[in-house]
Amino acid sequence: EAGVAQSPRYKIIEKRQSVAFWCNPISGHATLYWYQQILGQGPKLLIQFQNNGVVDDSQLPKDRFSAERLKGVDSTLKIQPAKLEDSAVYLCASSLWAGTSGANVLTFGAGSRLTVL
Amino acid sequence: KNEVEQSPQNLTAQEGEFITINCSYSVGISALHWLQQHPGGGIVSLFMLSSGKKKHGRLIATINIQEKHSSLHITASHPRDSAVYICAVTGTASKLTFGTGTRLQVTL
Repeated sequence: EAGVAQSPRYKIIEKRQSVAFWCNPISGHATLYWYQQILGQGPKLLIQFQNNGVVDDSQLPKDRFSAERLKGVDSTLKIQPAKLEDSAVYLCASSLWAGTSGANVLTFGAGSRLTVL
Repeated sequence: KNEVEQSPQNLTAQEGEFITINCSYSVGISALHWLQQHPGGGIVSLFMLSSGKKKHGRLIATINIQEKHSSLHITASHPRDSAVYICAVTGTASKLTFGTGTRLQVTL
């Protein structure tokens, strides 16, 4: 089974520039998560999709971050304009959907490391 | 107070030692996950638990739903076990909440 694919693996940009990250989850996984992990900290949820709908985006800085999963498969996370504090690894994870009473094993992508100068 | 608390934050052990990492949570959950992240590496799922105990090789995970507590044990620890171990819980609508992680260093 192919894993969760993310690209690019590394990106260096200057502040105020824009960047986009792409994630292709495991085939059939309805739930897709984007996390931000700043060096030395645990992952912080940015947004959770269920198919092409948003389940939770309460911690997404919507003035600069946006995410979409138009066809319920792959997803894009965009930052515009970037700030220095956005330097982090952006992790994508997916899981099967087991309804409101269940949970499934998570599979994480390798992450996209962003450096903002 | 975080919804998911881990202890200890940092742990150093000698090769061969038995290691325990603890996780307490304060919300209703449908499952608890133990994850492993090596330095500079991606995150790997070790266990998903909703009750009882699971074992995989030298790793054992237990959960007590009534006490809202889980433990991850590593038997006969090895330097390759050095990593950050993260506890995460799945709550309502599959919302995932992470602990801050436990940084384990196993020395020779």
